[in-house]
This record gives sequence, structure tokens and C-alpha cells, in this order.
Amino acid sequence: GAGVSQTPSNKVTEKGKYVELRCDPISGHTALYWYRQSLGQGPEFLIYFQGTGAADDSGLPNDRFFAVRPEGSVSTLKIQRTERGDSAVYLCASSLYHSDTQYFGPGTRLTVL
Amino acid sequence: QKEVEQDPGPLSVPEGAIVSLNCTYSNSAFQYFMWYRQYSRKGPELLMYTYSSGNKEDGRFTAQVDKSSKYISLFIRDSQPSDSATYLCAMSAGTGNQFYFGTGTSLTVIP
Repeated sequence: GAGVSQTPSNKVTEKGKYVELRCDPISGHTALYWYRQSLGQGPEFLIYFQGTGAADDSGLPNDRFFAVRPEGSVSTLKIQRTERGDSAVYLCASSLYHSDTQYFGPGTRLTVL
Repeated sequence: QKEVEQDPGPLSVPEGAIVSLNCTYSNSAFQYFMWYRQYSRKGPELLMYTYSSGNKEDGRFTAQVDKSSKYISLFIRDSQPSDSATYLCAMSAGTGNQFYFGTGTSLTVIP
């Protein structure tokens, strides 16, 4: 079956612009996670959804970052007023339920010029 | 202090060698331990998942957890060039808790 998909695979934007990153989880998975991975680092937790609600958003670095999952499936990570320090690979993962095995997508590589 | 410490390497071994990868952690509440493999420009894929202390074997891979020392290991036997990747450890205290990842160890297996 289909795995986790993320679009776009690459996004180049200018400082100050707004970007949206999309994640399509595995069908039927109730839990969805967003991580950020900088070069040479492990994934850093951003936010976790259980169904439609954000169960834990403690990893979001500041109020420029926001994520939604309105129908409990697809999720969008939104970054306002992008900064060069936001450049990283943004990974999405899903699991059947929380604490179960997480399956990762290929990531979106964001570059802020 | 980071929650999870992992030597970034790089580690280079000849084909057929036994590889040992390790992580240490500080939070004694962690009880779920995972190893992921990540190829360049790909997302991490789960290799091993263990609960609490002990060993778990799956083919050429063995995961060990020593909770008393807060130390986990992944052993790869008969390493192959296709094992060349970055290996990430991850851990969690359980339901409702975040997963914490190490920085990853870059492994190259030379034919």
C-alpha cells in the first residue's frame, strides 16, 4: 500500500514569505507527527495530531509555525514570515495510534534564501 | 544536556564486518527504544523496536537495551554495502509522550 507522502519535495522561498507543506499519511493512521531535521542532526519533534486535534504542539519553535489537520487525514504545516534559520528538511510521520511504530515520509526540503 | 546522545561518526567498515552503534540517554522514564535507518535524501525507516531492557534479534540486526546504564546498542552482522546509511536511535517514555531522536551515526560499508 501507499506510504506517507509529502509535497512538495523541495521548496525554495525568500525570507519573509509564507509557505505551506503538505503531508498525506497512511490511510487509517490516526496519529500524525511533524518533525524538522537540520543537516547532521536527528529529527526534532514539532507537533503531534491525534485525529483532528493537536495533542502536543510543544515542539513548535514560535508562533510563526502552525499546523492543521481539519479532517483527521491530510495535514498542512504553515510557516509565516520565513527566516533563513527555517531552512531544513521537514518530515511527516504517521502511526496507527500514538506510541505505535511511526512511518516517515520522504520529507520536504525547505530552503529560505 | 541532550535527552539522547549519539556519536555522529562517520564510521567506515569493510564488507562483512560487525558494526556496533550506540546511544546513551538521560531520562530514566524512557521505555520504548527504536533504531531507524535513513538513506540520503530519504525519510527514516524503522529497523528495530524494543520495549524495556533486553535483546531483540531480526536477521542480521540485534538491538540491546541496558536501562540500568541508560545505554542502547544496535549490532549489524555481516555488514553489506547496502547498509551504508545514517542510523538514528529514538526513544520515548510511552503513550502521550514525544519521541526523542539521536543525531544519527553515518555508516559506510566498503566493498
